Amino acid sequence: DAKTTQPPSMDCAEGRAANLPCNHSTISGNEYVYWYRQIHSQGPQYIIHGLKNNETNEMASLIITEDRKSSTLILPHATLRDTAVYYCIVRVAGGGADGLTFGKGTHLIIQP
Amino acid sequence: EAEVAQSPRYKITEKSQAVAFWCDPISGHATLYWYRQILGQGPELLVQFQDESVVDDSQLPKDRFSAERLKGVDSTLKIQPAELGDSAMYLCASRGLAQETQYFGPGTRLLVL
Repeated sequence: DAKTTQPPSMDCAEGRAANLPCNHSTISGNEYVYWYRQIHSQGPQYIIHGLKNNETNEMASLIITEDRKSSTLILPHATLRDTAVYYCIVRVAGGGADGLTFGKGTHLIIQP
Repeated sequence: EAEVAQSPRYKITEKSQAVAFWCDPISGHATLYWYRQILGQGPELLVQFQDESVVDDSQLPKDRFSAERLKGVDSTLKIQPAELGDSAMYLCASRGLAQETQYFGPGTRLLVL
């Protein structure tokens, strides 16, 4: 799976949009971009994933650049409960040996 | 909403003792994963099952770790003997056959003294 690069930490004010960047310049055509988050002492929580097109769900939006070499996770109205480590992961679709390769992620801190 | 269950949530053991963790995946999920997360790092895959068969155990330290999923439903991860460096969070995840997304349980936090 391709490697990802994320800033180690970010701050965001409560109520504002949090924009978390991720670089994945070696991504292959059949690799998805996944985002998970991990609130302190809990298991990782799935947020969103995409292949080429931008995606939106009730938690977040995922914007993938046209060349697919980077993406941005957007939390539209951050709350204190969004404080967590956010992981950007790329993985090949289709099953087989498909364990996720986590990096160190971005520690997002929402400030009151 | 269906969830992955894990027990115990916390375990303290002494070095050289045996320890076991249990995972019950989301009902109907054929694929099950065990990950280990050392403090300050992201989770790392230990073993992946498809039903009762091992798909990937390349990162499992087989001299002391073992994992089984005998009936293709719940799974047990065992460490014998435990070492100080095994102190970590042990996470279980599962995925449905036609799905792409892995769902994680709450984890078991192990402290080896």
